[in-house]
Amino acid sequence: DIQLTQSPPSLSASVGDRVTFTCRASQYISSYLSWYQQKPGKAPQLLIYDTSSLQSGVPSRFRGGGSGTDFTLTITSLQPEDFATYYCQQSYSAPTFGQGTKVEVK
Amino acid sequence: EVQLVESGGTLVQPGGSLRLSCAVSGFTVSGNYMSWVRQAPGRGLEWVSVIYDDGSTYYTDSVTGRFTISRDNSMNTLYLQMNSLRREDTAVYYCARRSQPSGSLDIWGQGTMVTVSS
Repeated sequence: DIQLTQSPPSLSASVGDRVTFTCRASQYISSYLSWYQQKPGKAPQLLIYDTSSLQSGVPSRFRGGGSGTDFTLTITSLQPEDFATYYCQQSYSAPTFGQGTKVEVK
Repeated sequence: EVQLVESGGTLVQPGGSLRLSCAVSGFTVSGNYMSWVRQAPGRGLEWVSVIYDDGSTYYTDSVTGRFTISRDNSMNTLYLQMNSLRREDTAVYYCARRSQPSGSLDIWGQGTMVTVSS
């Protein structure tokens, strides 16, 4: 199985901050990388697919990047509704998820 | 309206069986790739199974031989038959549509809780 390692596991930030977190794959996955946001008690919501494509209805402050094995998700200006946990997922082979990055209020 | 609604989660004893359902509206299960993903309490997401539009099925290693994914095209419903349940199968189970060709999960249900305990 392809392992995905997200860093950091958690971060503290303030509204308006620019935040970036990373997802590293244990082997090459081309651009088959997606990002999800999950709030407590809710289902995950797709934000980004194919590394950098914005899912319909998702605000443009969410930006995905990277290729090969190293990927990033950037929130350009953190909003109150963005405090949540973010997961990456690869679909190059049998799907796997990273362990998540929790964005908390500073 | 596009919607996935899971049901069937409950408390079950180790070794028991359970069938989860996912009622789909707004698109056809037969024409899409449909997945089950689970999340143990306080843990991350784990992909469980997928059924392709051609009927092919795949499973994560830990459930192979115990779980079976299927669909009823007339009912537009996805199922997950879970046998020989273990405590480590305790989780919220989500059904989700797998978008192609990206492989992302673009539509999710609200989840149903399965608790395996004596």
